[in-house]
Amino acid sequence: DAGITQSPRHKVTETGTPVTLRCHQTENHRYMYWYRQDPGHGLRLIHYSYGVKDTDKGEVSDGYSVSRSKTEDFLLTLESATSSQTSVYFCAISSTNTEAFFGQGTRLTVV
Amino acid sequence: KQEVTQIPAALSVPEGENLVLNCSFTDSAIYNLQWFRQDPGKGLTSLLLIQSSQREQTSGRLNASLDKSSGRSTLYIAASQPGDSATYLCAVRLNYGQNFVFGPGTRLSVLP
Repeated sequence: DAGITQSPRHKVTETGTPVTLRCHQTENHRYMYWYRQDPGHGLRLIHYSYGVKDTDKGEVSDGYSVSRSKTEDFLLTLESATSSQTSVYFCAISSTNTEAFFGQGTRLTVV
Repeated sequence: KQEVTQIPAALSVPEGENLVLNCSFTDSAIYNLQWFRQDPGKGLTSLLLIQSSQREQTSGRLNASLDKSSGRSTLYIAASQPGDSATYLCAVRLNYGQNFVFGPGTRLSVLP
């Protein structure tokens, strides 16, 4: 299995609090992605990174920010969590034109 | 905007049957197409990757084809087993940004 780890795996947080999810890779892949998966919506891209400090928005980026200060780490921050951000979050890694590998997911509940 | 659809949404077959899952995409300008499997409550597992210049890829009982010009891919599963029960997702990789756009998935149940 590709070396990709998400933390935490589960989190319950209150509305209005900031939350940071971490994705760590040991594969030295250039691209890293954050997706969310919701019933009826499938997997949707939040943000992605194409290199250290190089990031761009996906289709559902509102309310989220990201940072990538090292090749191996990609952080997703919910600036002020809302109930609509309750979801399962997946991180993925890839190099140019190669397979994408996914982490095991983080189940986030905002109450 | 690239859109990916999958038919059928759900499929139930008896063990031993051969089956075909379908994936369609609206824009043929793709880098590659990848098939994944997802078990309930788990992450995505990569099954097959087809580059845009390729027509098919095989891995064990799985065979995936790609017709880029018509915007279609199929995943063929031979001699299905109960352990094949899962949701199967296809994803196209865009030329711009190297992002992946996913289909909604096909939920497969293989009955013993």
